[in-house]
Amino acid sequence: KNEVEQSPQNLTAQEGEFITINCSYSVGISALHWLQQHPGGGIVSLFMLSSGKKKHGRLIATINIQEKHSSLHITASHPRDSAVYICAVSRGSQGNLIFGKGTKLSVKP
Amino acid sequence: DGGITQSPKYLFRKEGQNVTLSCEQNLNHDAMYWYRQDPGQGLRLIYYSQIVNDFQKGDIAEGYSVSREKKESFPLTVTSAQKNPTAFYLCASRTLVEGFEAFFGQGTRLTVV
Repeated sequence: KNEVEQSPQNLTAQEGEFITINCSYSVGISALHWLQQHPGGGIVSLFMLSSGKKKHGRLIATINIQEKHSSLHITASHPRDSAVYICAVSRGSQGNLIFGKGTKLSVKP
Repeated sequence: DGGITQSPKYLFRKEGQNVTLSCEQNLNHDAMYWYRQDPGQGLRLIYYSQIVNDFQKGDIAEGYSVSREKKESFPLTVTSAQKNPTAFYLCASRTLVEGFEAFFGQGTRLTVV
C-alpha cells in the first residue's frame, strides 16, 4: 500500500463547479504539501500545511492530523485550473518528500 | 529572481550513451533532489544531497550518478546501465529549516532511442 494515497485519480468538471481532491497518508508527518503540475511538466508548490486550513484565492487546503487526511478545494473552477494536483508529505526537516500519484483535473468550459 | 533551473527541457540520446541533466539553484538551499516521473506513477526519488560533497541514494538510484561540488549545482548523469531511461526528470531543492517548502524545476524530458 502506498504511504500517500490520492483520490480521485482523474476528475472532469464543468467550469464553475466546486472541486475536491483528497489525500490520505499512513505515516507520521511534519507537513503536507499540495503541488500543481501543468502539462508542460513544471511543478509549483500551492500549499504547505501542518494543521488547520489555508486559503489562496480560489484554492483552499485543509488537513486533519488525527485522521491523516487532507483535502484541496477549488471554488468556481476554471479551465486554466486543468492540471495534475499532487499531494506530498514530509517527515521532518531532514526527511524527504513522499508523493502521491496525482489527480488529473480537467475543467471543461 | 531566485529559482531552480533545469536544462535542457527536452533531450534525445541514443541507447548506450551517458547523458547529464543540469540542475542549478540560486536559493541558497542546502538540500537538492532528483526525481523520476513515469506515466501513472508518483515521483520517485533517485538521489539527494543535503550538503556539498555528499549525496545519498534514493529509491531508484541504479543506473544513475550525481555530484555536488557546489551548493548551487546538482547534475544527474543517466548512464548506459539504466535499463529504461526514457522518463521525465525533476529536480527540487529546499532549505533544511523546518517549515519551508520545496521548489521544483521545470523538468527535463529524456527520450532514449
